[in-house]
Amino acid sequence: GAVVSQHPSWVICKSGTSVKIECRSLDFQATTMFWYRQFPKQSLMLMATSNEGSKATYEQGVEKDKFLINHASLTLSTLTVTSAHPEDSSFYICSAVPRTSGRIEQFFGPGTRLTVL
Amino acid sequence: EDQVTQSPEALRLQEGESSSLNCSYTVSGLRGLFWYRQDPGKGPEFLFTLYSAGEEKEKERLKATLTKKESFLHITAPKPEDSATYLCAVQGGYNFNKFYFGSGTKLNVKP
Repeated sequence: GAVVSQHPSWVICKSGTSVKIECRSLDFQATTMFWYRQFPKQSLMLMATSNEGSKATYEQGVEKDKFLINHASLTLSTLTVTSAHPEDSSFYICSAVPRTSGRIEQFFGPGTRLTVL
Repeated sequence: EDQVTQSPEALRLQEGESSSLNCSYTVSGLRGLFWYRQDPGKGPEFLFTLYSAGEEKEKERLKATLTKKESFLHITAPKPEDSATYLCAVQGGYNFNKFYFGSGTKLNVKP
């Protein structure tokens, strides 16, 4: 149980284009989903917290107009990197917290490798 | 300042050589401490949640313990397939949902 998927698993795009990454909780409903970014040999950096039906909360220094987050349902959140540039190349990982009462663990997706040329 | 520190940064063990990883934290109002395993190019895999000092959890060769200021992940008789980065995270502080992650310990178990 507690499986989270991401799509695509990797994507290569040209500079200036937009890329959408999907995060789905497959066997549970999620009250909250999170988006992280991870650079090589570094830990996870929280980008934003997303609650179903409300606006995402972005961490300091993360441009909300560049990283658009839509939490459309209790099982789906999307991250759109708008006008991507090479410096946006990174490993993006989502996580979800089960709606089940008392659960506080985050369950992570497999990640999406974004390369911007 | 809310902070999570893991040590050592890297650990090399021979197969069968038991050891411990450390996670110390200064987050106030602890709701939970979490251990994850991350393989290269993959998302973190959930291992344990610890809620209060004195609590212990076990899974195969792994055992996690918690005190008021730190947690240990004990690895007994490790195998090469235990090689991975182990991440510690703490939930607490002013932001109810936010996880504070440590920088991880990269474990390499040699056959």
